[in-house]
Amino acid sequence: QVHLLESGGGVVQPGRSLRLSCAASGFTFSSFTMYWVRQAPGKGLEWVAVISHDGSNKYQADSVKGRFTISRDNSKNTVYLQMNSLRAEDTAIYYCARFSMPDMSFDYWGQGTLVTVSA
Amino acid sequence: QSVLTQPPSVSGAPGQRVTISCTGSSSNIGASFHVHWYQQLPGTAPKLLIYDSFNRPSGVPDRFSGSKSGTSASLAISGLQGEDEADYYCQSYDSSLSDVVFGGGTKLTVL
Repeated sequence: QVHLLESGGGVVQPGRSLRLSCAASGFTFSSFTMYWVRQAPGKGLEWVAVISHDGSNKYQADSVKGRFTISRDNSKNTVYLQMNSLRAEDTAIYYCARFSMPDMSFDYWGQGTLVTVSA
Repeated sequence: QSVLTQPPSVSGAPGQRVTISCTGSSSNIGASFHVHWYQQLPGTAPKLLIYDSFNRPSGVPDRFSGSKSGTSASLAISGLQGEDEADYYCQSYDSSLSDVVFGGGTKLTVL
């Protein structure tokens, strides 16, 4: 069955960096677009970054543009989120999610990893 | 402010039927992009509940149903149970933003 497992979260000081990983299993990873979606404490869902199935297209939300970078290694069935210049407002649970085409839904989600940006 | 508008909260007694609305615009729901619904139980990740506006993934009870009309969509939950207490989010695609968009979420309380 499809499984997504995030890791790499933790407590980090403002201005520092963190890299999240999402290990996928149970499906042909290289065939799917993948997203990172975050949820600040008590808030709703916000997409952060997206990467196409082969890594050729990548986009970030305006709120993280220039600071966050998404990448993937299809040989390792893993998608990454490199987060630089972290701010307090980046504090959130970060989920990786599989993007289903053509309906454009998120059909599977990981359990999430918590990132806390605090001095 | 979310592109898709949902009521912050709804409530109902066990056994009752509740609906959650999701209002968009001509560049998302009104442009015939599908609407999807997610259920987020307390302390867990979101789970796909309804896709393509009407369809249920396997394992989702038929107490949950979706509909769409014009620039709005709705999620209906009949025969409310305590285990339905959760946050519910709608999601679509917006052609003006060229992005996926979410509703702000609705907290369902079972009285």
